[in-house]
Parts: sequence; structure tokens; C-alpha cells
Amino acid sequence: NAGVMQNPRHLVRRRGQEARLRCSPMKGHSHVYWYRQLPEEGLKFMVYLQKENIIDESGMPKERFSAEFPKEGPSILRIQQVVRGDSAAYFCASSPARNEQFFGPGTRLTVL
Amino acid sequence: TQLLEQSPQFLSIQEGENLTVYCNSSSVFSSLQWYRQEPGEGPVLLVTVVTGGEVKKLKRLTFQFGDARKDSSLHITAAQTGDTGLYLCAGAQGSTLGRLYFGRGTQLTVWP
Repeated sequence: NAGVMQNPRHLVRRRGQEARLRCSPMKGHSHVYWYRQLPEEGLKFMVYLQKENIIDESGMPKERFSAEFPKEGPSILRIQQVVRGDSAAYFCASSPARNEQFFGPGTRLTVL
Repeated sequence: TQLLEQSPQFLSIQEGENLTVYCNSSSVFSSLQWYRQEPGEGPVLLVTVVTGGEVKKLKRLTFQFGDARKDSSLHITAAQTGDTGLYLCAGAQGSTLGRLYFGRGTQLTVWP
């Protein structure tokens, strides 16, 4: 049973470019969460999605960030016009029916 | 402000020693999860506790949820070098699991 998959594992972008991070949840999981981890701050919640619905986006910056979880395909976290402060590790977690969360390996975003 | 405070921040011990790490809050949580994270990887779920006063054992690891569901502890007996890693506690609030609030973690190093 494959775990949560994230790609790419590493992503380098120049300031002003767009970053697209993908997350495929575990089989049978319909709930997806995105978290960001900065070195001195720990893991911070960004957004919680169910298929085709955003349930809680209270942790997501109001501008440049968006997330979706379409009926078919992976969940996407999109960051437009990246800035150096967006450099971080982004983790996706999935859960069945709002239960325990299982994390993927993360995407390390570096903005030059 | 951090909803969950973990202590100690760093712990360095010899193989065979016992240790306890703490996760404290002034807020009540409906459940609390412990994760272990290794460099370059995502957090791996160790245990979930949901009932005040609950104690769960996982081989040499003992997890306890406080009676008031505001704090938790992780005790490791006879630590091994393979226990080295970042231990994170994460709490959920409300009647069902949504976003998780993470502590900053305890970095454990076990020396041979």
C-alpha cells in the first residue's frame, strides 16, 4: 500500500516564477492537508481539502497561494510570483474520514 | 505564539539510558499525535491518544495523555541509536480531526 506521494522532492525557482507542488494521497484517503516547515518555526498548517472542496484555508497566505484537490488527479499547491521567504519544506498529509494524518516526504522549495 | 510547547528542545544521551520528552499546552485537545521525523523526510506517525489519562505502549516507547487533555509525554526506555530523530507532538481541537497544531519538536540524539 503506497504512502502519500509528493513531487517534485526538490524544486528550485527564481523570484517571480510559479511553483507547483503535487500530492497524491494514500489510496482510500479523501482528505488532504498541506503544511509548511521552516527551520526555526516547526510545521504550520496551511490548508485542508476534500475532493473538490476547500474545508479550511485559514493558514494560507491570502495572496499568491492557492490549493486544489480535483475529482481526478493529485492535490496541487500553487505559489505564484515566488519570493525568497517562500523557501521551505512543504508537506502534504492525507487521512481517511478525518482521522489520523499520514505525511508524505515533502517538497523542498528553494527560491533563488 | 505556539499552542504546544515541547521540552526539552535538544536531548543528547548515551545508548541504554531512559528519557522523557514533554508536550504542554494551556489549551484542551480532542486528540494528540506523536510523530518522528528524520532529516529530509516527512513526519512518521507513532501514536494517537484521544482519552484523558490514556497510556499507550509501542515496544520501548510509552505515550501518556494528560487527564485534562492539555499535555502529553513520551518516555523511551533503554534508548538505542536508531531512536535518534526529531520528535513532534501535534494536537487537534474540536470534535473531529482537522488541522493539526504542531510543537517545535525535541531533537533526540542517542550516542553509541
